[in-house]
Amino acid sequence: DQQVKQNSPSLSVQEGRISILNCDYTNSMFDYFLWYKKYPAEGPTFLISISSIKDKNEDGRFTVFLNKSAKHLSLHIVPSQPGDSAVYFCAATGAGNMLTFGGGTRLMVKP
Amino acid sequence: DTEVTQTPKHLVMGMTNKKSLKCEQHMGHRAMYWYKQKAKKPPELMFVYSYEKLSINESVPSRFSPECPNSSLLNLHLHALQPEDSALYLCASNTLSGGYTGELFFGEGSRLTVL
Repeated sequence: DQQVKQNSPSLSVQEGRISILNCDYTNSMFDYFLWYKKYPAEGPTFLISISSIKDKNEDGRFTVFLNKSAKHLSLHIVPSQPGDSAVYFCAATGAGNMLTFGGGTRLMVKP
Repeated sequence: DTEVTQTPKHLVMGMTNKKSLKCEQHMGHRAMYWYKQKAKKPPELMFVYSYEKLSINESVPSRFSPECPNSSLLNLHLHALQPEDSALYLCASNTLSGGYTGELFFGEGSRLTVL
């Protein structure tokens, strides 16, 4: 039973345009959400996070939006760059230290 | 450069071998984790050491055994593995101090192939 879902396994975007990656969750006990970026043969690296008390968090080109009522979050990358091409994992956590990961979305940014 | 160091980066072993994966962090983090990641799948939690106390994912077979010699080191001992255990094994750590955000710092992983 997947508690965190990323329904789009892949996304292709033109350089300079906006990339929007989506994530849905089912567990209402989750109170912190994170996005990780992963290149092949490397470990995931933390990108941006958001607490459930907020609905938006921005860091440079990256913005995460949280819609608690819909149990949905999204990552916006503007403008997209070829170096952003990677697999992006959404993750969520509640009480305790356990992160639950979504299945990942492969983003390809075309020059 | 990651601040979580994993060795070896690549390991090939037979099903009768005994080997170990090692992980080290010097960020003063008090929680360390082992994750297993198969191709095109998300990382799956195997073990957590929090303040050197072990929590186990009950679905992990006993041929994997973790060891935490101290708060900076985490080993994963491998014995009698199966070919389906071939995967990328990721070590991670995070701080448990005030302001805990859930952010994990991952190592680059150890790519394990079981023949």
